[in-house]
Amino acid sequence: NAGVMQNPRHLVRRRGQEARLRCSPMKGHSHVYWYRQLPEEGLKFMVYLQKENIIDESGMPKERFSAEFPKEGPSILRIQQVVRGDSAAYFCASSLEQGRFQPQHFGDGTRLSIL
Amino acid sequence: AQRVTQPEKLLSVFKGAPVELKCNYSYSGSPELFWYVQYSRQRLQLLLRHISRESIKGFTADLNKGETSFHLKKPFAQEEDSAMYYCALSAHRDDKIIFGKGTRLHILP
Repeated sequence: NAGVMQNPRHLVRRRGQEARLRCSPMKGHSHVYWYRQLPEEGLKFMVYLQKENIIDESGMPKERFSAEFPKEGPSILRIQQVVRGDSAAYFCASSLEQGRFQPQHFGDGTRLSIL
Repeated sequence: AQRVTQPEKLLSVFKGAPVELKCNYSYSGSPELFWYVQYSRQRLQLLLRHISRESIKGFTADLNKGETSFHLKKPFAQEEDSAMYYCALSAHRDDKIIFGKGTRLHILP
């Protein structure tokens, strides 16, 4: 089991472009979480998804950010019209089942740099 | 509001000395507390959780509800303990995890 796979590892975009970050959960995991880590900050929860459903998006900015986890394929975190403040590391985690006692397994993250 | 506070950004400890990484939380209910660790060039991984009451790699952490703390301790530091440590909280009936800002532990030879 390769674990949670995120790609790309590094992504550079110019202001105004779109950024797409991908996350393939561990085999058999149907729960995906996205976190953002700004420089000098801890990880901040963004969104929790199950297959084809957004369960909790309380940490997502209201504009420009969206996430999906289709029936087939990886989960996608999409940032439209990127700005300098979007520069951060974005981590994805997955778990086997729902519930706060289920451990979350993390990917290596995608480091997004906005020029 | 749920919050996790790690007051130290950096902690330097000599090899063989005791280690204590501080963590305080703010939550009115019964939280689930975790410590995650990120070694150099590796992904974030779960170190231990309070509900399991385990000792992992010599580390322990006790939940003190009176002081709302979950400090991570190890009696004798080893060089391979150098890493970034994150304290985290999961609230009742909630699946997201609230992380602290992390403490970088540097073990001096």
